[in-house]
Amino acid sequence: SQKIEQNSEALNIQEGKTATLTCNYTNYSPAYLQWYRQDPGRGPVFLLLIRENEKEKRKERLKVTFDTTLKQSLFHITASQPADSATYLCALDGQAGTALIFGKGTTLSVSS
Amino acid sequence: GAVVSQHPSWVICKSGTSVKIECRSLDFQATTMFWYRQFPKQSLMLMATSNEGSKATYEQGVEKDKFLINHASLTLSTLTVTSAHPEDSSFYICSARGRGQATGELFFGEGSRLTVL
Repeated sequence: SQKIEQNSEALNIQEGKTATLTCNYTNYSPAYLQWYRQDPGRGPVFLLLIRENEKEKRKERLKVTFDTTLKQSLFHITASQPADSATYLCALDGQAGTALIFGKGTTLSVSS
Repeated sequence: GAVVSQHPSWVICKSGTSVKIECRSLDFQATTMFWYRQFPKQSLMLMATSNEGSKATYEQGVEKDKFLINHASLTLSTLTVTSAHPEDSSFYICSARGRGQATGELFFGEGSRLTVL
């Protein structure tokens, strides 16, 4: 079955630094991969979507890469701020093509 | 982005009772809604997929008679946890996709925290 691993449960960095989160997947070739932000006790909020034929996507201070050979996506937040502290979830489209399968998430803490 | 509203935000109930959670798409027609469950420090686990006007499709291991899902209109889906037990205590989150949006981002509700005593 499909498996998604976000291999860091927690990441602590200093304000201003770049946070890099990793998402690896196995047993599947997704058509696209997504990243979401989830704050405690809240539903996830969509951040970025990258398709299998795209290597990189940017949105303001966010950058996502997608390496289908390595079966890996990297999510970068540059010039991080304490307000970026949250759990970031990686998701890929399930085999049905409609539902999303989520990783466990990486909880980012940015200290000032 | 599109708005999905979920109600109630939290609910406490006694063991054996049933609880209904509503999920509404406020500014778009949600042809497909997904219900997820999330335990602390765990990923969102898909419970079921519901398309408007048809029966929900449940994931393996999810009891359809326990978690009743109704998607009667293009803006409302409900999840009823029947005869709730303490192990059903969890964070339930709905999400939706609009007409013509077969893939892509999901719009999530704020989640409903269920505590069964």
